[in-house]
Amino acid sequence: DAGITQSPRHKVTETGTPVTLRCHQTENHRYMYWYRQDPGHGLRLIHYSYGVKDTDKGEVSDGYSVSRSKTEDFLLTLESATSSQTSVYFCAISGDTTYNEQFFGPGTRLTVL
Amino acid sequence: KQEVTQIPAALSVPEGENLVLNCSFTDSAIYNLQWFRQDPGKGLTSLLLIQSSQREQTSGRLNASLDKSSGRSTLYIAASQPGDSATYLCAAASGGSEKLVFGKGTKLTVNP
Repeated sequence: DAGITQSPRHKVTETGTPVTLRCHQTENHRYMYWYRQDPGHGLRLIHYSYGVKDTDKGEVSDGYSVSRSKTEDFLLTLESATSSQTSVYFCAISGDTTYNEQFFGPGTRLTVL
Repeated sequence: KQEVTQIPAALSVPEGENLVLNCSFTDSAIYNLQWFRQDPGKGLTSLLLIQSSQREQTSGRLNASLDKSSGRSTLYIAASQPGDSATYLCAAASGGSEKLVFGKGTKLTVNP
């Protein structure tokens, strides 16, 4: 299995509070991604990174920001959480040498009350 | 905009049956297509990746095909087992190799 960890694995928070999710990889892969998975919508890309300090928006980026100060860490921040951001969040990684085959972390279940 | 569709949403088969899962995509200009498996409450496990220049890929009892001209990919599972029960997702890399667009998945149940 690709070395990807996500923390926390579960979080319950209140509307309006800031939340940061962390993704950590040990594979030294260039690309890192954040997705959310919701019933009826499937998996949707939030943001991705193609290198340290290099990030770009995905399909559903509103309300989210990201940062990548080290190759191994990719942070997803909800500046002011809303109930619509209740979801399961997955981190993924890929490298140039494997035709960008993506490998996923175990997920973080976030509940915003 | 790429759209990926998987039909049916759910499939139930008896153990031992050979089966085919379908995936269709609207934009044939894909970089690659990837099949995943997801068990309840778990992350996604990559099963097979087919590059745009390839027609198929095989891994054990799994065979995935790609037909860009018709916008279709299939995942063939031979001699299905109860342990194959899971949700199967396909995703097309479109608009650049780094961006995957996912279908909503087919939930497979293999009955003993």
